[in-house]
Amino acid sequence: DQQVKQNSPSLSVQEGRISILNCDYTNSMFDYFLWYKKYPAEGPTFLISISSIKDKNEDGRFTVFLNKSAKHLSLHIVPSQPGDSAVYFCAASVRGADGLTFGKGTHLIIQP
Amino acid sequence: ETGVTQTPRHLVMGMTNKKSLKCEQHLGHNAMYWYKQSAKKPLELMFVYNFKEQTENNSVPSRFSPECPNSSHLFLHLHTLQPEDSALYLCASSQDGPVNTEAFFGQGTRLTVV
Repeated sequence: DQQVKQNSPSLSVQEGRISILNCDYTNSMFDYFLWYKKYPAEGPTFLISISSIKDKNEDGRFTVFLNKSAKHLSLHIVPSQPGDSAVYFCAASVRGADGLTFGKGTHLIIQP
Repeated sequence: ETGVTQTPRHLVMGMTNKKSLKCEQHLGHNAMYWYKQSAKKPLELMFVYNFKEQTENNSVPSRFSPECPNSSHLFLHLHTLQPEDSALYLCASSQDGPVNTEAFFGQGTRLTVV
């Protein structure tokens, strides 16, 4: 049973527009959420995170929103750039427990 | 470059072989992890080491044997693997395991079992 779900395997967005990547989770014990970005032949790199005590965290072009009641988070990228084309993984953790639980990833394609 | 280095990058091994994957970090982190990424599946946590002590074994078969000789190095010893073990094996490290800190990943070892 997947505890972290990314239901869109791929997403295509025009350059300059907003990219919205979604993630749902089922484990109510999760209290910390992260987004990772992965290019081919490289390991995932950390992008942005949010604690469950917040509902929004912003870092430059990247904003993560958390809706605890819906067990849903989203990553907004605006404006989208060609270099943003990658696979984006949503991950979650439980405070006091080791390791991260990942979603399957969403392949974001930025079209010129 | 994330500061976490994995070798080899690619490995092809027979089912009767014994091989080892190596991971090294010089970030001063105290926690190290092995993850497995199979095709069309999420990244799966395999093992966790905190301060060189194994704190989690996520129901991994005994044909995978981790070793953490010090907080900078992590190995994954492989023996009598099956073709379904073919996957990308990722090492990661973080400042501290139980605290919510970001994990830094290596580039992975692409393992093919024939």
